[in-house]
Formats: sequence, C-alpha cells, structure tokens
Amino acid sequence: GENVEQHPSTLSVQEGDSAVIKCTYSDSASNYFPWYKQELGKRPQLIIDIRSNVGEKKDQRIAVTLNKTAKHFSLHITETQPEDSAVYFCAASPPNSNSGYALNFGKGTSLLVTP
Amino acid sequence: EAQVTQNPRYLITVTGKKLTVTCSQNMNHEYMSWYRQDPGLGLRQIYYSMNVEVTDKGDVPEGYKVSRKEKRNFPLILESPSPNQTSLYFCASSLRPPSYNEQFFGPGTRLTVL
Repeated sequence: GENVEQHPSTLSVQEGDSAVIKCTYSDSASNYFPWYKQELGKRPQLIIDIRSNVGEKKDQRIAVTLNKTAKHFSLHITETQPEDSAVYFCAASPPNSNSGYALNFGKGTSLLVTP
Repeated sequence: EAQVTQNPRYLITVTGKKLTVTCSQNMNHEYMSWYRQDPGLGLRQIYYSMNVEVTDKGDVPEGYKVSRKEKRNFPLILESPSPNQTSLYFCASSLRPPSYNEQFFGPGTRLTVL
C-alpha cells in the first residue's frame, strides 16, 4: 500500500520567516495530495490540495509543489504568523478502489511560529 | 450548519465494557470513515463506508466494528475495549471518496480505556 513519509517532525521559525514541510510517497499511481492543519485540541482541516496533473498551487501565503518524478510534494508557508502554529499533515491518495480511495497520512509536522 | 458531529467527546471506560461512539453528518455525504490519532503516528484509518450498507476495513480495523444503516450515521463499536485502544478518534465524511472531494472531520472523541 501507499506509504507517506513527512519531514521534519517539528519545525520552529521566527514570525515572518518561511516554513517548508516535505513529504514523499511510494505509490506512483497516487494522484491527490491534500494538506491538513490541526490546531491544538481541534479537528484537522483541509488548507490546500493538489492533483497529479498540476505542479504547483498557491493560495495567498500557502503553496504546494508536486514533483511526480521524484514522488515528493511540499508545503510552503511564507510570512509566517503565530496563528500558523499547528500540526500539519500531508496525505496521498492512490486511485485504488480496493482501499476505498483512502487517504494515507504522514505522521505530522508540529510547526511553532515564535513572535 | 453543515457539520460532522461525534458523541461522546470524552469517554473513560474500563477494559471489556462495550461502547459505541456515534458519528452523524448532515451534508448527504456518501463516504464516511473513522480514524484514530496517536502521538507520532498521525491519522490511521480504521474503517470506511462508501455508502449505505457498504463498509470495509482500513489500516487498523482490529478490535472495532462499524455499521452504516443510514446515510447520515456511521457508529464505531468497540465490543471489548482494551487499553491499546486509548486514543483520539475522528469521524470524517465527504461527498464521494476523499481523493475526489474534501473530507470534513468531526470534533474528535478522546477515549481512555483503563
């Protein structure tokens, strides 16, 4: 099955700096790559996603890039703010009906933005 | 308001005492799933349901059961809970499988099994 590796597990940046979180996946058939943000004590929420026919997607301060050849994708947050502090999860979904088109999550990155 | 609800939000129980965690969504979503979240392990899928009366195992189904008798409800059943099932549980739903549509998570249920 699909295996998603996420790095780093923790990341601390100064307010205003950029943060980058990287994920690799194993199944070359995976075609959907969402990123979820989970604030302390809250539920995960989708912040951005990308499909395999697109190399990059941007939404204000957040961007995701995908390299299908290398099987990795990254989340970029620019001009970080303290409210960006949270745990971020990447996920990959292979188009496999036997697995219910399930999302396979990385283990998460705890991002801390210090003022 | 469109939402996924779970009950209870917190539960402390003892080994072997059957329990059910309810999940309900009001968005007419076909796909529902259960995850458990453990420190350092991320989110792992327990069971999923593609539609009414259609359920299947995820990555960590041992010790759990589910049912999908109605489209809106997807309860998680622990017939004989054990301490290794102490975890944070999330129910999630999407219009179709999550590779096609955004998946919405419930607020979570923190379960402690003594």
